[in-house]
Amino acid sequence: GAGVSQTPSNKVTEKGKYVELRCDPISGHTALYWYRQSLGQGPEFLIYFQGTGAADDSGLPNDRFFAVRPEGSVSTLKIQRTERGDSAVYLCASRPTGTDTQYFGPGTRLTVL
Amino acid sequence: AQKVTQAQTEISVVEKEDVTLDCVYETRDTTYYLFWYKQPPSGELVFLIRRNSFDEQNEISGRYSWNFQKSTSSFNFTITASQVVDSAVYFCALSPSGTYKYIFGTGTRLKVLA
Repeated sequence: GAGVSQTPSNKVTEKGKYVELRCDPISGHTALYWYRQSLGQGPEFLIYFQGTGAADDSGLPNDRFFAVRPEGSVSTLKIQRTERGDSAVYLCASRPTGTDTQYFGPGTRLTVL
Repeated sequence: AQKVTQAQTEISVVEKEDVTLDCVYETRDTTYYLFWYKQPPSGELVFLIRRNSFDEQNEISGRYSWNFQKSTSSFNFTITASQVVDSAVYFCALSPSGTYKYIFGTGTRLKVLA
């Protein structure tokens, strides 16, 4: 079946602009995660949704970052007033109920100039 | 503190050699899960294995094997008879039970030379 998809695959923006990154999880997966991966580092947890609600947003670095999942499927990560330090690969993962295993998408590479 | 350490930043081997990737974790939880993922150049993290803290039995899957030792808080990964296609970055991750989120190590880049 189809895996996790993320769009766009690449996004270049200017400092101060607003961006939205989209994630389509595997069909039927109730949990959805966002991670950020900087160059040479492991992914860092940002936020986790169970259904439509954010079950844990403790990884969001500041209030410029926000994520939604209004219908319990697709999720959008929103970054306001982007900064050069936001440049990274943003990974989305989904997980079916009853397991701890997450399945990752290909990521969105965000470059802030 | 919860932490995963992958001390080997990069390893290069010649094809057909065996190679072991080290993973050491820290947690105070008694129940947790450990994972290994492969990240090829395409960037997508590929799930390899999941192990819970109560199951210390070693596992073998084809050329891959995993050695979990709670006494040393290690979960090492061995590739036997490495192949060029094994070249990738490998991540070890910890998920304390009930948190449902991963704590990743910094990864080990494996280069298998023909």
